[in-house]
Amino acid sequence: DVKVTQSSRYLVKRTGEKVFLECVQDMDHENMFWYRQDPGLGLRLIYFSYDVKMKEKGDIPEGYSVSREKKERFSLILESASTNQTSMYLCASSLIPPERATSTDTQYFGPGTRLTVL
Amino acid sequence: AQTVTQSQPEMSVQEAETVTLSCTYDTSESDYYLFWYKQPPSRQMILVIRQEAYKQQNATENRFSVNFQKAAKSFSLKISDSQLGDAAMYFCAYRSERFVLRGYWGIGNLYGSGSRLTFGEGTQLTVNP
Repeated sequence: DVKVTQSSRYLVKRTGEKVFLECVQDMDHENMFWYRQDPGLGLRLIYFSYDVKMKEKGDIPEGYSVSREKKERFSLILESASTNQTSMYLCASSLIPPERATSTDTQYFGPGTRLTVL
Repeated sequence: AQTVTQSQPEMSVQEAETVTLSCTYDTSESDYYLFWYKQPPSRQMILVIRQEAYKQQNATENRFSVNFQKAAKSFSLKISDSQLGDAAMYFCAYRSERFVLRGYWGIGNLYGSGSRLTFGEGTQLTVNP
């Protein structure tokens, strides 16, 4: 079974702190994603990565950065946390099939980190 | 840009009965994939069912089936014989079928685009005993 783990289930930080959210997958997937989930808004893509050291902005990248130094690990960084970044953060990974990104390119999700910024 | 809309924030169903969750989407693309994900209280997102837009036949997975209406851009999920374990938040999601090749490693925009999911707002399903 694919396993995606996130470093913390719950996290409480103060405004202005630098926050690291870690995600690790054990299935040698190329793609990794960070989403935030807010009530009434569903999941919104923050950043994604399709290879080591490669990243692409999602729909709401402002206030966030990411790091992918190793294939299995994808970190989300809040350089200076603000209260409006209080949210649930979900990491996901997926495998690119050899030639075409077909429907077998399923995203597997971690359990989420609920971040509260005070 | 694609958008996905779930107009029912909450739904409820009696155990053993059938419920249908609605999803509409907007796209200018002709080839794409649609998904329903389930998020129970454990928060673990679980893929329920997927549908390829080029397939006319509606996907089914045991008690879960979809009604895919491509012209209407509608993708509803039907849960038959509802069980208490079906209680969860359900998300509809869209993925573009962009053609990507391993030879295009490093051309980020082309390569990365195909895997992105666009989610709806979610529908909270309650199952009453």
